[in-house]
Order: sequence, then C-alpha cells, then structure tokens
Amino acid sequence: GDSVTQMEGPVTLSEEAFLTINCTYTATGYPSLFWYVQYPGEGLQLLLKATKADDKGSNKGFEATYRKETTSFHLEKGSVQVSDSAVYFCALGSTSYGKLTFGQGTILTVHP
Amino acid sequence: NAGVTQTPKFRILKIGQSMTLQCAQDMNHNYMYWYRQDPGMGLKLIYYSVGAGITDKGEVPNGYNVSRSTTEDFPLRLELAAPSQTSVYFCASSYSSRGTDTQYFGPGTRLTVL
Repeated sequence: GDSVTQMEGPVTLSEEAFLTINCTYTATGYPSLFWYVQYPGEGLQLLLKATKADDKGSNKGFEATYRKETTSFHLEKGSVQVSDSAVYFCALGSTSYGKLTFGQGTILTVHP
Repeated sequence: NAGVTQTPKFRILKIGQSMTLQCAQDMNHNYMYWYRQDPGMGLKLIYYSVGAGITDKGEVPNGYNVSRSTTEDFPLRLELAAPSQTSVYFCASSYSSRGTDTQYFGPGTRLTVL
C-alpha cells in the first residue's frame, strides 16, 4: 500500500540556516504530493503541493520538487526564520476517495 | 468564511463514557474526513464521507462511528471510551476526491481518556 517516510526529527537550526527535510514515498500510480505545516496549537495547513513528476511546489520561501525517479519530495528553504518553527508533514494524495497518507512529521525549531 | 470548525477543543473522559466530537464546514465541500494524530506519528484516517448520507471506514475505525445528515456537518461518535483513544482528532474537508485537492483542516480536539 501507499506509505510516506520522513527524516527523523527533531531538527534544530539557527535563524538564516538552510533547511532540508527529506521525504520519500511508496505508491502505485501517479499520486500527488503535499507538504502540510502545523504551527503550535493549530490544525494542519497546506504549505505546498505538486501533482505530477518534475513539478516544483513553492510557497513562503519553501520549495519541493516531485522526483519520480527517486520517489522523493524533499522540502527546502534557503534561510529559515524563528516563525518557521512548526511540525512539517509530507503527505501523498490518492485518487481513492482523496485519501491522504501522512509521514510521521518532523519538528522544526529555529533559534534566533 | 469560518472554514472547518471543531468543538470542543479539549475534553477529558473517563473509561466507558461516550461523547460526540463536532465538525462543521462552510465551504460546501462534499468530502469530509476524520483523522487522529498520536504523538510522534502522522495522521491516521478514521472515517470519511463523500456526501450527505454516505460514509465509509478509513484505516482505524474501531471504536468510532460517524454520520453525515447534511453537507456541512460530520460528527464523530466515541462509544465506550478507552485509553487507547487518547489522541488529537482533526476534521478535514475537500472539494473533490481527485487526490490533487487540498484538504482543509480544523483546529483539532485534544481528547484524554482516563
């Protein structure tokens, strides 16, 4: 079945550092890929998505490219801010009733 | 436009008690979902609905029930609460089931069963 694996956390960075959070997936067919972010005390919200191979999703300085050959969708940001501290979830979207399969989440803490 | 709303935000139950978690959306979405989030884990799908009157089981449905009498509301019922149901519960909705659509999440209900 479908599965998503994220890099183990937590990740702690200083402000302006470069961020990479790895995400790989296993799926049949051609799923869509998502990054959701959960700020403290809040629900999840969409950060970015890509719906086909080689697509790049981007938002708020974050980027991720859908790599079918490596089954990956790694999240990157060139210069993190304290306000980026949150939990980041990689997810795979199935055409089967729109089901999302989530990775385990990566806690990011950014220090001034 | 409130999006997806959930009540209550927090609740403590005793073993064996029952309760209903409320979820409502005002985006006229046909598709609605209930997830649970356990510490250090991703979200697991409990139940989903493709429209009023139509519901189906997700990955972890045992101990829960749902109903969908209107497009807007999708309550989750816990019968005979157990400590294993201690979790954070999220409701979500989407416009379609194509798999490319964004799901919109509520703020969550933190449930503790003692």
